[in-house]
Amino acid sequence: DVKVTQSSRYLVKRTGEKVFLECVQDMDHENMFWYRQDPGLGLRLIYFSYDVKMKEKGDIPEGYSVSREKKERFSLILESASTNQTSMYLCASSATGSGNTIYFGEGSWLTVV
Amino acid sequence: AQSVTQPDIHITVSEGASLELRCNYSYGATPYLFWYVQSPGQGLQLLLKYFSGDTLVQGIKGFEAEFKRSQSSFNLRKPSVHWSDAAEYFCAVVREGGADGLTFGKGTHLIIQP
Repeated sequence: DVKVTQSSRYLVKRTGEKVFLECVQDMDHENMFWYRQDPGLGLRLIYFSYDVKMKEKGDIPEGYSVSREKKERFSLILESASTNQTSMYLCASSATGSGNTIYFGEGSWLTVV
Repeated sequence: AQSVTQPDIHITVSEGASLELRCNYSYGATPYLFWYVQSPGQGLQLLLKYFSGDTLVQGIKGFEAEFKRSQSSFNLRKPSVHWSDAAEYFCAVVREGGADGLTFGKGTHLIIQP
């Protein structure tokens, strides 16, 4: 089975802190994604990557950056966390090709106080 | 740009009753469509997907969905729900422009009454 692992399930950070959310996949997938999930808004794409060191902005990239130094790992970075970034963050991966199944991790709950 | 609308925020169904969750999409070409389910506190699990061919798609856990191009719809159905089906359901369409990834609807929260 494909496994997408988000190392931190629950985090509490202070406003202004730099926050790293880590994600690892074990299926040699080319594509990796970071989504944000908020009640009533569904999932919104923050960033995605289709190869090592490559990244593309999604629909809501402001306030976030990403890093993909290795194929299996995709990190989401909040340079200076703010309270409006309190949310559930979901990492996902897929093989190249539109329509390939996207596999999700279990999510990271981030609270910024 | 592509979009997905799930008109029902909450749906309550009695256990054993049939279920239909609605999904409408906007997409410039033939869409690739998906239904995912999310149990509380968990990630998303793929129920089924449509690419082409037969417009009635079978998925896991007894779910099926029908693609209707004329109505721009991809509704999810199950003939008899179980209490374990209580969850959040998301419809999604592949993003336009050649980039991989999905655009999701806002979700429908399914409540099962005993």
